[in-house]
Amino acid sequence: DGGITQSPKYLFRKEGQNVTLSCEQNLNHDAMYWYRQDPGQGLRLIYYSQIVNDFQKGDIAEGYSVSREKKESFPLTVTSAQKNPTAFYLCASIPGHSSGANVLTFGAGSRLTVL
Amino acid sequence: AQSVAQPEDQVNVAEGNPLTVKCTYSVSGNPYLFWYVQYPNRGLQFLLKYITGDNLVKGSYGFEAEFNKSQTSFHLKKPSALVSDSALYFCAVRDAYSGGGADGLTFGKGTHLIIQP
Repeated sequence: DGGITQSPKYLFRKEGQNVTLSCEQNLNHDAMYWYRQDPGQGLRLIYYSQIVNDFQKGDIAEGYSVSREKKESFPLTVTSAQKNPTAFYLCASIPGHSSGANVLTFGAGSRLTVL
Repeated sequence: AQSVAQPEDQVNVAEGNPLTVKCTYSVSGNPYLFWYVQYPNRGLQFLLKYITGDNLVKGSYGFEAEFNKSQTSFHLKKPSALVSDSALYFCAVRDAYSGGGADGLTFGKGTHLIIQP
């Protein structure tokens, strides 16, 4: 079955360490997205990519970085510059960016806890 | 700027009773509206969307939503609640003419729906 795989599901990090969250999709979707979810705050867009080798900052990109070297993969690095990284991170994708009616497909999420 | 309001942090309903989860929105143009559901420690799943046409939209798991342009609302409804409907529900909106990517999508803060046996 096609879908989005995020790993790891749970991750613990010490302050000052960078961590990378993996996101892989086999849906042949063009556009991929990273969201951060905090209790009571909904979803906030971190970064997105509409095509390989190109990506754009979302609303809360500071302290994060991404790459899009392959269509299937869109890893997110949480750097030590992110002041409050403890959160639930969601990766999502849509078939393309030509229609605003496209529905997002989400991965199961990665929960990052900073110790 | 566009926005979405889900005025209730939590909604409690007895099993078998009808349920409503409220959503109001603000966009400068015509809206595209979506409902997603999230079960604990999982990603979001699509329930239904309004793009154009019939104001009553039917979706997955027996849910439906009514688009009301004059009240700028898109409330989620179900005639008879199940305990398994207990989850976190998100309303989302985008302007129909703001481009095609999901970067133009704004999510509400979510409403916890609790169905009591």
